[in-house]
Amino acid sequence: AQRVTQPEKLLSVFKGAPVELKCNYSYSGSPELFWYVQYSRQRLQLLLRHISRESIKGFTADLNKGETSFHLKKPFAQEEDSAMYYCALSEGWGGGSNYKLTFGKGTLLTVNP
Amino acid sequence: DAGITQSPRHKVTETGTPVTLRCHQTENHRYMYWYRQDPGHGLRLIHYSYGVKDTDKGEVSDGYSVSRSKTEDFLLTLESATSSQTSVYFCAIGTGVYNEQFFGPGTRLTVL
Repeated sequence: AQRVTQPEKLLSVFKGAPVELKCNYSYSGSPELFWYVQYSRQRLQLLLRHISRESIKGFTADLNKGETSFHLKKPFAQEEDSAMYYCALSEGWGGGSNYKLTFGKGTLLTVNP
Repeated sequence: DAGITQSPRHKVTETGTPVTLRCHQTENHRYMYWYRQDPGHGLRLIHYSYGVKDTDKGEVSDGYSVSRSKTEDFLLTLESATSSQTSVYFCAIGTGVYNEQFFGPGTRLTVL
């Protein structure tokens, strides 16, 4: 069964410092990977998806199949980046069962002034 | 916000009572999901639907049932609420593109 691990429950950095939120996965096939962000008491929002290779709000993430990782990075953290971040994995295209997401437990990022 | 609403947004109920949460979408998407969010556990899938009347169990389905009689509505029922079901419940819709999902605003349920 697939698994997503976010090893840090909490991460605290200062404004302007680089930030990296770690995500490791376990899955035998070709996964689709996502990062979601949840600001305080709000709904989860899709931050980025690996297949799009995009940069949203200055964040990037690279899929490393050799290390089975999908770490989220930003070179200069801002206070408004403070939020809960979730890494999620989907098994890939197919029937209804393949559209499920498996989430990590989340990392709470705090950016201090 | 992808046209997803949840009702009620907050509910306090007593142990043993049935509770129904509603998820409504205006996007006409085929896939809908119910998750619960708990500290230290992240999001866990309760049930999901891949079409009208087509539903299946997720990771933590015990004590929950669902129904989907229309594309736009996905109902989650706690048949006899327990304190362990105190949680924040999120509904999501799946676009079928890149397997991404979009989430509703959540329902905060407290079972006393």
